[in-house]
Amino acid sequence: RKEVEQDPGPFNVPEGATVAFNCTYSNSASQSFFWYRQDCRKEPKLLMSVYSSGNEDGRFTAQLNRASQYISLLIRDSKLSDSATYLCVVNYGDTGRRALTFGSGTRLQVQP
Amino acid sequence: NAGVTQTPKFQVLKTGQSMTLQCAQDMNHNSMYWYRQDPGMGLRLIYYSASEGTTDKGEVPNGYNVSRLNKREFSLRLESAAPSQTSVYFCASSEPRQGYYEQYFGPGTRLTVT
Repeated sequence: RKEVEQDPGPFNVPEGATVAFNCTYSNSASQSFFWYRQDCRKEPKLLMSVYSSGNEDGRFTAQLNRASQYISLLIRDSKLSDSATYLCVVNYGDTGRRALTFGSGTRLQVQP
Repeated sequence: NAGVTQTPKFQVLKTGQSMTLQCAQDMNHNSMYWYRQDPGMGLRLIYYSASEGTTDKGEVPNGYNVSRLNKREFSLRLESAAPSQTSVYFCASSEPRQGYYEQYFGPGTRLTVT
């Protein structure tokens, strides 16, 4: 079983739609959670961190449910420029490693 | 301020050849990482360096070696390339503060081993 699991998609949505992605993680010792965005043939870039109380950044809302070990990302009013792969990322913070464990990503295609 | 740079951007090797992937960062970060990305697998950690002078194995270290040359530079070496090492390689750096571990990635090296 993968440590971080995501629906690979693709999610094809029209402009203006609301779309939600979920992600589950297997290690209950996970400490930090993130969503990264990766454009085609580019490097991953941090989209937003995910806090226990949930957090919002413009059209993007992230939620964390520690009891069920899942993370979600909600995108409202989708834009063409939101088309990308969204990576769910978890950090265990163990032994000073501070490396990240990545899901394989969910691809979003926003259509005009 | 270039962030994280990687060279080369593309490389084709024959099985058994060796090469070194270079990575440098100008953000004065202590920690640096090498990942590989394969279709459907997500990014997987090959090696990391928590600080200058230290390196440790990640999830998939076999067939690779690394050198943390100084605080800025972290290289990845393939001693005898195999087709299974065909992948996109990303270098990253971070400076953890209060448990927040954003990592900054280089543009990647696309490696094909024939």
